[in-house]
Amino acid sequence: QVQLVQSGAEVKKPGSTVRVSCQASGGSFSTYVIGWVRQAPGHGPEWMGGIIPIYGSPYYAQKFQGRVTITAAESTTTVYMELRGLRLDDTAVYYCARDRTGDQFRYFDLWGRGTLVTVSS
Amino acid sequence: EIVMTQSPATLSVSPGERTTLSCRASQSISSNLAWYQQKPGQAPRLLIYGASTRATGIPARFSGSGSGTDFSLTISSLQSEDFAVYYCQQYNRGLTFGGGTKVEIK
Repeated sequence: QVQLVQSGAEVKKPGSTVRVSCQASGGSFSTYVIGWVRQAPGHGPEWMGGIIPIYGSPYYAQKFQGRVTITAAESTTTVYMELRGLRLDDTAVYYCARDRTGDQFRYFDLWGRGTLVTVSS
Repeated sequence: EIVMTQSPATLSVSPGERTTLSCRASQSISSNLAWYQQKPGQAPRLLIYGASTRATGIPARFSGSGSGTDFSLTISSLQSEDFAVYYCQQYNRGLTFGGGTKVEIK
């Protein structure tokens, strides 16, 4: 059974870059859409973007265009999310999540445990 | 961007009661709506997709309805494990989540 294993918590300075990884344990991402969703304390989830393997291209929510990069390792067992120019309000739990529908972003049936990113001066 | 508005923000319910949560989209999203349950310290859990289809393993006491702009999630008889925050999410154009409804014990 596939699980999504995320990298550990990070503490970053404003203006720096964070990279979070998401590894498929027990399988690969080759046929699944992988999205990144963040959740600031006390707020609802927010979709950042993701990658659709059959198209090979990442897609980003407009809010994060130019600041986020999502990539997949060639083996497609690990997906990375890099967020640049960190601000205090980027403090959040960052989740990777799987969409089994395969060809676009719809809904997520499997989630990682989340990675807490704290931005603090 | 399609804005999702959930109401109420908090629901106080007794175990065994039936409760209904509402979600409204700022424009029509057909039936492209999902519902999630989230407990403290955990990731969201998919309950419903396509507005009314239960995800794998979700008990029959959870049901979803609606189309266009108005949707609801009904829990027919609240169990202790159902006290949590519930989010709706549209996927008609991009993906956006609502602000959540917290279901708490009365």
